Formats: sequence, C-alpha cells, structure tokens
Amino acid sequence: DARVTQTPRDKVTEMGQEVTMRCQPILGHNTVFWYRQTMMQGLELLAYFRNRAPLDDSGMPKDRFSAEMPDATLATLKIQPSEPRDSAVYFCASGLGLRTGEGETQYFGPGTRLLVL
Amino acid sequence: AQSVTQLDSQVPVFEEAPVELRCNYSSSVSVYLFWYVQYPNQGLQLLLKYLSGSTLVKGINGFEAEFNKSQTSFHLRKPSVHISDTAEYFCAVTERDTGRRALTFGSGTRLQVQP
Repeated sequence: DARVTQTPRDKVTEMGQEVTMRCQPILGHNTVFWYRQTMMQGLELLAYFRNRAPLDDSGMPKDRFSAEMPDATLATLKIQPSEPRDSAVYFCASGLGLRTGEGETQYFGPGTRLLVL
Repeated sequence: AQSVTQLDSQVPVFEEAPVELRCNYSSSVSVYLFWYVQYPNQGLQLLLKYLSGSTLVKGINGFEAEFNKSQTSFHLRKPSVHISDTAEYFCAVTERDTGRRALTFGSGTRLQVQP
C-alpha cells in the first residue's frame, strides 16, 4: 500500500528556531507539492516540484522558507527562523506528473502539525 | 487564476438522510474538478474527480458529483449518509491545459452526521 510519509508528525518549537519537515513521496511519482493548512487561510500551496526541479514557490515566504528535493525520494521544507504565525499543518502530496489533459490525482501525506511558541 | 467557493461551512445531517455539499468555481481557463475528504488528524483523500465526458461522476464511499458548466458548479451528493462520513470535504480545481498541477482549494465543508 503505497503512501506518502511525512516526519515529524508533530513539532513544538520556540520562536527563532529552525524547523525541518521531511516528506517521502510515493515511489515513481515525479511531482511533489507542499501545502499549508490554517484555520484562517485554509489550504494553500507553498511550492511544487517536478522531477526534483522547483516549478512554483510563489506561495512561500522567501525570506524564511526554503524547499528542496535532495533526491527523488526526499523532499524537505525548512523554516528559519520560525515565527508563531507559521503554526499550521503542513501537507506534502505527490503525483505521477501526467501529461497535460489527464488530471492527475495528488496523494497526500498525514501532515506535520507545527506549533511555534 | 482560479477560485473555489464552498457555500456551507458546516452541514449537520441525520444518519441515513441524503446530503448535498455545494461547490462553485471561477476560472479564466479550463479546469479539472476534484473533491477530497479529510478525516480528523489525517491527510486528504480523493473522493472523485471530473476530467471530461459524462457530467455525473461517481466516487468512493457512495459519493457522486455533477459538473454543471453553465452554473460553474460541482456539487457533491450522497443519497444516504453514515456516521463514518463525518469529516471535512474540500472542493478543488487544477488548470486543464497549462500543465500547472497545483490544486486550488475551497474553504471546506464540515459534514456532521448525527445518529
């Protein structure tokens, strides 16, 4: 049963600390997405990658957030320094990267619940 | 750019009653349409999607949705709900022809099934 995995599931940290979230996409998927879920903003895209290259990171605060794919089996999202307003659930999703016209399904991980004090 | 509006933030319903969760979208380009479900403390799971063809789409767990192009709607329905359907439901779109795959979500509808 192929699944997207995310670590850690929960993270509590203090303002100013670095936070790293990790995601392992489903094997064979070549698109990876990072979404953030908050009560106020709902679900919003932070960044996405195809074949490990960033295609869109317009939703990400550039001064403190960074997203990378060191290899095809690992995506990371870092926040440095963290702030209380970053408290949210961060979801990773992966997809097959189908050709235009095929409406690919995105498979979501369980999320990382971040609380910045 | 696209936007998705889910008209009801909460929908309480009794078990075995029918339910409809409403979704309207706005887009300057053609889109694909999706419904995802989120159970407490879990990630999102695809219920169904509309790509093309028949406007009535059937999904998992007895859900179905109907695409209405003229009304730019994609309402989700189930004829008889169960307690286990209690969850948050998200309508979403992606662009059809540009290759941009990111989902734009609605604000969600919390379905509360009561015994």
